[in-house]
Order: sequence, then C-alpha cells, then structure tokens
Amino acid sequence: GDSVTQMEGPVTLSEEAFLTINCTYTATGYPSLFWYVQYPGEGLQLLLKATKADDKGSNKGFEATYRKETTSFHLEKGSVQVSDSAVYFCALNNNDMRFGAGTRLTVKP
Amino acid sequence: NAGVTQTPKFRVLKTGQSMTLLCAQDMNHEYMYWYRQDPGMGLRLIHYSVGEGTTAKGEVPDGYNVSRLKKQNFLLGLESAAPSQTSVYFCASTTNGGTYNEQFFGPGTRLTVL
Repeated sequence: GDSVTQMEGPVTLSEEAFLTINCTYTATGYPSLFWYVQYPGEGLQLLLKATKADDKGSNKGFEATYRKETTSFHLEKGSVQVSDSAVYFCALNNNDMRFGAGTRLTVKP
Repeated sequence: NAGVTQTPKFRVLKTGQSMTLLCAQDMNHEYMYWYRQDPGMGLRLIHYSVGEGTTAKGEVPDGYNVSRLKKQNFLLGLESAAPSQTSVYFCASTTNGGTYNEQFFGPGTRLTVL
C-alpha cells in the first residue's frame, strides 16, 4: 500500500540555520503531496502542498518540490526562527491520506 | 467560521467506562475523519465518513464506533475504554475525496484511560 517515510527527529537547530526534513513516498498513480505543521497543543494545519510532478509548494519561507523520479518531497527553509519549532508531517493523498510519523523541530535562539 | 471543533479537550476515564467525542465542522464538508496520534506513529485513521448517514472503517477501528447523523457532526464512541486507547484524537474534514484536497483538523482531544 501507499506509505510515507520521513526523517526521524528530533531536529535541533540554531536560529537562522538552514532546515531540511527529508520525506520519501511509495504510491501508485499520481498522489498529491503535503506538509502539515503541528504547533504545541494544536491540531495539524496545512503548510504547503504540490499536486503534480515538479510542482513546488511554498509558504512562510518553507518550500518543497514534488520529485517523481526520486519519489521525494523534502521540506526546506533557508533561515529558521524560534517560532518554527513544531512537529512537521509529510503526507500523501492518493484517494486515502497517509501521514509520515512526524519530525519534531526545535529552534534555539 | 469556527472550522473544525472538538469536544471535550481533555478527558480521563477508568478502564471499562464509555464516552463519546464530538466533532463539528461549519465548512459544509462531505468527508469527515477520526484519527489517533501516538508518539512516533504519526496519525492513524480510525473511522471515516463520506457523507451524512455513512461510515467506514479505517486502519485501526477496533474498540471504536462512529455515527454521522448530521452532515456537520461526526461522533466517536468508546464503549468500554482500555488503557491502549490512551491517545490524542483528532477529527478532520474535507470537501470531497479528491486527491488535491487538504484536510482541515480540529484542535484534538487528549484522552487518558487509567
């Protein structure tokens, strides 16, 4: 079946560091890919998405490119802030939504 | 719009007790979902509904029941709670089953079963 694998955390970075969270997927057909963010004590909220190969999703300085050849959707941000501390989930929708296990990011001042 | 709301936010049960979690959405969405979130396991789908009056099993349905009597509400029931059901429960909704669509999540219910 379809599945999502993302890098294990936790990830700890200093403010203004570069962030990469790896995400790879297994799916038949042409799924849409998503990154969700979960701040402490809250539900998940959509961060960005891409619906076809080579699409780049971007929001709040985060971006991810849908790479069909490597079945990947890595999340990047050039300069993280303390307020980016959260848990990040990669997900795919291929008529069923599948989530990765989540990666906890902590950004220190 | 309130979006997706969940009641209650926190609950402590004793083994064998029952309870119902309520999810409500005001976005006129057709599809609604119940997930549980456990450390290191991401979100796992318990049950879902593709419209008023319909329900279906997800990945981990055992020990739970659901009902969708009104389009805007989706109830999750635990008939006889077990410690293994200690978790954070999230409700989500979306317009329809299209692969492009994001799901909108509620704030979660933290349930502890002693």
